[in-house]
Amino acid sequence: GNSVTQMEGPVTLSEEAFLTINCTYTATGYPSLFWYVQYPGEGLQLLLKATKADDKGSNKGFEATYRKETTSFHLEKGSVQVSDSAVYFCALKDTGFQKLVFGTGTRLLVSP
Amino acid sequence: DVKVTQSSRYLVKRTGEKVFLECVQDMDHENMFWYRQDPGLGLRLIYFSYDVKMKEKGDIPEGYSVSREKKERFSLILESASTNQTSMYLCASSDTTRKAFFGQGTRLTVV
Repeated sequence: GNSVTQMEGPVTLSEEAFLTINCTYTATGYPSLFWYVQYPGEGLQLLLKATKADDKGSNKGFEATYRKETTSFHLEKGSVQVSDSAVYFCALKDTGFQKLVFGTGTRLLVSP
Repeated sequence: DVKVTQSSRYLVKRTGEKVFLECVQDMDHENMFWYRQDPGLGLRLIYFSYDVKMKEKGDIPEGYSVSREKKERFSLILESASTNQTSMYLCASSDTTRKAFFGQGTRLTVV
């Protein structure tokens, strides 16, 4: 079946540090891949997405590249801010299916 | 702005009560979803619906049912609430581009 594996958190960084949150997936077809972010007390918001191999999704300084050969979609940001503190979820939606499959989430804590 | 609205942010119910969680979207989306979010488990799909009066079981449907009488509204029903259903419940809807929009969540406590 389809699944998403994320690195366990929390990830604790100082402001302006480089961020990587690892995500790998297992899928039977050709999935679309997503990163969602959940700020404290809120629901999930789409951060970025990629729909095919080698696509790069980007938004708000975050980037992730769809790597079919390594079945990965790692989230990166060059310089994090305190306001980036949140929980980040990697997710996939397989071809022909409507539902999203989520990873367990990674909490990011950024200190000043 | 697109909007998915869940009727309550916080809810406390007693064991054995019948509980209704309501979700409304204003985007004319066909697909709607109910997830529960628990620490260390991420989001798990309970039920989803791809059209009015249509429903499909997700990964953890036991103890839950759903109702979709109108396109914009998707209700999650706990027939007889139990303490292991204490959780954060998230509703989502999606369009044909597969992008999902989430509500703010309902934190349900069953005592």
